[in-house]
Amino acid sequence: EDQVTQSPEALRLQEGESSSLNCSYTVSGLRGLFWYRQDPGKGPEFLFTLYSAGEEKEKERLKATLTKKESFLHITAPKPEDSATYLCAVQPHSGNTPLVFGKGTRLSVIA
Amino acid sequence: DSGVTQTPKHLITATGQRVTLRCSPRSGDLSVYWYQQSLDQGLQFLIHYYNGEERAKGNILERFSAQQFPDLHSELNLSSLELGDSALYFCASSVQGAANTEAFFGQGTRLTVV
Repeated sequence: EDQVTQSPEALRLQEGESSSLNCSYTVSGLRGLFWYRQDPGKGPEFLFTLYSAGEEKEKERLKATLTKKESFLHITAPKPEDSATYLCAVQPHSGNTPLVFGKGTRLSVIA
Repeated sequence: DSGVTQTPKHLITATGQRVTLRCSPRSGDLSVYWYQQSLDQGLQFLIHYYNGEERAKGNILERFSAQQFPDLHSELNLSSLELGDSALYFCASSVQGAANTEAFFGQGTRLTVV
């Protein structure tokens, strides 16, 4: 069964304190790995897609990396406005299987 | 703004009732996905439509059904509602039918069953 596990469940950082969020996955062939940001009561907002091990993508203070078993979302010098839940999702190779989401990491950045 | 529109934003209804949630995908997107998000659960995939045809089904209850119309908007029908159906319901759309295209989410419909 395709599974996505995100850790930690919650993370509290001081403004400027860099850290990483982890997404580990087991999937029958990876077609793509996706990162989303979700603010309370809102819909997930697309951040990145990664397709193969070794790939990296950056957007402002965020950088996503991918290995064969996990992905990391690195947050450099975070600001309070980066506070949100970050969701990881995988799309398996098999058929028309849609995205399988992890439960997310709830990030709080304190000024 | 993702370009995906969901209505209504909030819905409060009684157990046993039936409701319809509506989704308009981004212009040009042919795929619509429905997800349920409860407090303790992540996003749970319900159903996927591509250009009017059902493509994939997730853990969707028999009391729930969906369809995609010729103008590509979609509706999710929830019937015989139970307290446990209270959740956020999201619609997402993407250009292609499957494969590694990112999906863009609407703002969701918060359903409260009392």
